[in-house]
Amino acid sequence: AQSVTQPDIHITVSEGASLELRCNYSYGATPYLFWYVQSPGQGLQLLLKYFSGDTLVQGIKGFEAEFKRSQSSFNLRKPSVHWSDAAEYFCAVGARNQGGKLIFGQGTELSVKP
Amino acid sequence: DTAVSQTPKYLVTQMGNDKSIKCEQNLGHDTMYWYKQDSKKFLKIMFSYNNKELIINETVPNRFSPKSPDKAHLNLHINSLELGDSAVYFCASSQDKSGSGTDTQYFGPGTRLTVL
Repeated sequence: AQSVTQPDIHITVSEGASLELRCNYSYGATPYLFWYVQSPGQGLQLLLKYFSGDTLVQGIKGFEAEFKRSQSSFNLRKPSVHWSDAAEYFCAVGARNQGGKLIFGQGTELSVKP
Repeated sequence: DTAVSQTPKYLVTQMGNDKSIKCEQNLGHDTMYWYKQDSKKFLKIMFSYNNKELIINETVPNRFSPKSPDKAHLNLHINSLELGDSAVYFCASSQDKSGSGTDTQYFGPGTRLTVL
């Protein structure tokens, strides 16, 4: 069965500092991997996704993520965090022929210090 | 223009009542979903429909019944509400026609259900 673990429940970074949010997945075949962001009181917005090919994926708002099969990881990074990046971040895993079913991690709340 | 909309945004009701949450998407997508987000922000899929056909039916109480009158709408009806049903319910849609799993899901703003 697929599963996703986000080890960090809450992270605080200073504005302008770099960011890395961790995501580990469990799935026997090649997973489809996603990062979504949820601002307070809002729905989820896709930041980026990986299916195949180049393991470094660029997304919106300056985010990128790297798929590392050997580590079963898909960590999200941003070189310089802005105050508006404060939100909840969700990693999710999907697979072919599952009707688009996504399994989400428990989320990482990002706070940004001025 | 709102891509995926849900009504109502907030719903407060008593235990035992029956309530519905409506979802509409104007993206022309074929597939729609319902997710439940609990108080710990854990998101879990409940149902998905592809062109009015039920595709995913996760293990949820049969008090929950989705209904898709057309492919732009997916409503969620809940009978005999219980305290544990309190959560935020998100509707989503995607272009996924064949269950490929690669298409972006677009989420609505959520409906916060509180059962007293």
